[in-house]
Amino acid sequence: GAVVSQHPSWVICKSGTSVKIECRSLDFQATTMFWYRQFPKQSLMLMATSNEGSKATYEQGVEKDKFLINHASLTLSTLTVTSAHPEDSSFYICSASTGTSGRALDTQYFGPGTRLTVL
Amino acid sequence: GENVEQHPSTLSVQEGDSAVIKCTYSDSASNYFPWYKQELGKRPQLIIDIRSNVGEKKDQRIAVTLNKTAKHFSLHITETQPEDSAVYYCAAGGNNRLAFGKGNQVVVIP
Repeated sequence: GAVVSQHPSWVICKSGTSVKIECRSLDFQATTMFWYRQFPKQSLMLMATSNEGSKATYEQGVEKDKFLINHASLTLSTLTVTSAHPEDSSFYICSASTGTSGRALDTQYFGPGTRLTVL
Repeated sequence: GENVEQHPSTLSVQEGDSAVIKCTYSDSASNYFPWYKQELGKRPQLIIDIRSNVGEKKDQRIAVTLNKTAKHFSLHITETQPEDSAVYYCAAGGNNRLAFGKGNQVVVIP
């Protein structure tokens, strides 16, 4: 149980284009989904937290107009990197949990990640 | 916000020996402390977690201890095997947020 999928697993795009990454919880309903970015040999950096049906909460320094997050259902969240540039190249990983703010934290289950390369 | 420090950054152990990774955190409100294992190019996998109402938890060769007063927690791996080689991340959180440490590269030497 607690499987999270991500699509695509890797993508190469030209500078200036937009890329959409999907994150799905396959066998549970995810009240909250998280988007992380991981550069080579570095830790997971939280970009934003999204709750189903509400606007995402972005971490300081993350541009909400560049990284559009939509959490349309309890099993799907999408991250769209708009007007991508080479410095956006990274490993993007989502996670999902059943926790809600104000409660003891529930376990986060990670997706397999998406390798984005912007040429 | 929460700040998590992880030591050491790299740890090499002989197969069969024990490995210990320590983490400290800054926010006394944090009440959830998971450990993740990440192999190269793969997703982080939860290996064990502990909540603030207990001081120790064990699962086969893996154990975690928590000292809330000192704000540190540790991962203990006994009888290490080559497949334990990976990057291990500690995290601390509360109110549905997690802050991750920088990771620890564990190398088990056969």
